[in-house]
Amino acid sequence: DGGITQSPKYLFRKEGQNVTLSCEQNLNHDAMYWYRQDPGQGLRLIYYSQIVNDFQKGDIAEGYSVSREKKESFPLTVTSAQKNPTAFYLCASSADRGRNSPLHFGNGTRLTVT
Amino acid sequence: KNQVEQSPQSLIILEGKNCTLQCNYTVSPFSNLRWYKQDTGRGPVSLTIMTFSENTKSNGRYTATLDADTKQSSLHITASQLSDSASYICVVTFTSSGGYNKLIFGAGTRLAVHP
Repeated sequence: DGGITQSPKYLFRKEGQNVTLSCEQNLNHDAMYWYRQDPGQGLRLIYYSQIVNDFQKGDIAEGYSVSREKKESFPLTVTSAQKNPTAFYLCASSADRGRNSPLHFGNGTRLTVT
Repeated sequence: KNQVEQSPQSLIILEGKNCTLQCNYTVSPFSNLRWYKQDTGRGPVSLTIMTFSENTKSNGRYTATLDADTKQSSLHITASQLSDSASYICVVTFTSSGGYNKLIFGAGTRLAVHP
């Protein structure tokens, strides 16, 4: 089955540590996205990539970094510079940069930083 | 400012009843509007997409409407089932001045269907 796999599902880290969230897709989509979901708020875009070896900052990129070395993979690193990293992180992909095709989401990683 | 507002914030209904969720937006220029269903602890899944010229679109027991003049959309769920318990997210797409697509997400309506 084609889809997006995020791992791990739950992640716990101490404050000051960097942590990397994995996102893999086998849908052959060019575009991939990272969103952050907080209670009572709409999803907010962290980073997106429309093609391998290229990515762009979204609305809340500070404290995060990404790479896109392979079409299938788009890992997100939450650095110690992110002031409020505890959240639910969703990775997504789309066939036509989201214009008409839907976003296909993974099942998320819930990150808790204490 | 481009915004998407959803109401109500949460809703409880009995199994078998109908309900309607609302989405108002101020996004411009409008490209399309999509409704997603998000089960707890899972990623959102697309239910339906509405373009500027479409007024109504159905997907099984889900019917979405769009009034582009008033910038309102609704999602009507008929004969609700326990499995309809989820958050429903309204997402509006517009094309920015730079020519790329941007999505604005509503905060969602959390629906609980009780037996």
